[in-house]
Amino acid sequence: ETGVTQSPTHLIKTRGQQVTLRCSSQSGHNTVSWYQQALGQGPQFIFQYYREEENGRGNFPPRFSGLQFPNYSSELNVNALELDDSALYLCASSSPGNEETQYFGPGTRLLVL
Amino acid sequence: QKEVEQDPGPLSVPEGAIVSLNCTYSNSAFQYFMWYRQYSRKGPELLMYTYSSGNKEDGRFTAQVDKSSKYISLFIRDSQPSDSATYLCAMGAQKLVFGQGTRLTINP
Repeated sequence: ETGVTQSPTHLIKTRGQQVTLRCSSQSGHNTVSWYQQALGQGPQFIFQYYREEENGRGNFPPRFSGLQFPNYSSELNVNALELDDSALYLCASSSPGNEETQYFGPGTRLLVL
Repeated sequence: QKEVEQDPGPLSVPEGAIVSLNCTYSNSAFQYFMWYRQYSRKGPELLMYTYSSGNKEDGRFTAQVDKSSKYISLFIRDSQPSDSATYLCAMGAQKLVFGQGTRLTINP
């Protein structure tokens, strides 16, 4: 098991609502990346945070936003939820100088009704 | 065309068999290549990590990268039922690009 933790484990929301997902990175890791994994698909990169700043973004709309805190933990916020947002949301952390070696948490499973 | 192509399977083999999993990719700029294992309802677990072309071995697992062909492979020797999982290839650096994943079942 990696030291990356995520909360909550499961979440059910309705269309139009907003959601906040949380991630604590592995000790010594200062970079956090978020991915969306739809059922039967590989994870898709949402964005990455380094030193509390967004450091790269994938092809996701602005209603997907994030934060990183001084202790390197992170939040993913999704506004105006859509049915297609139903997925497993994964957080991954990496250490300084090794951003390509990413260690994943267990994920938060979001269902939008 | 997807940047990374991976046959989703499913792939079913008997215990003890050698398993070969593969991905192709289109972006010649990729330098880092990873294989992740994902059990049902869990996060991906990093198995192997390779930089540029060549082979890397770790126990029963061997990763191969052929950049000239844009083709990567993962071999599992002496496969065990506990190896049953979805195997994801990934590549890139800051932003990882994943294949769809291959669902593998090892039958006792």
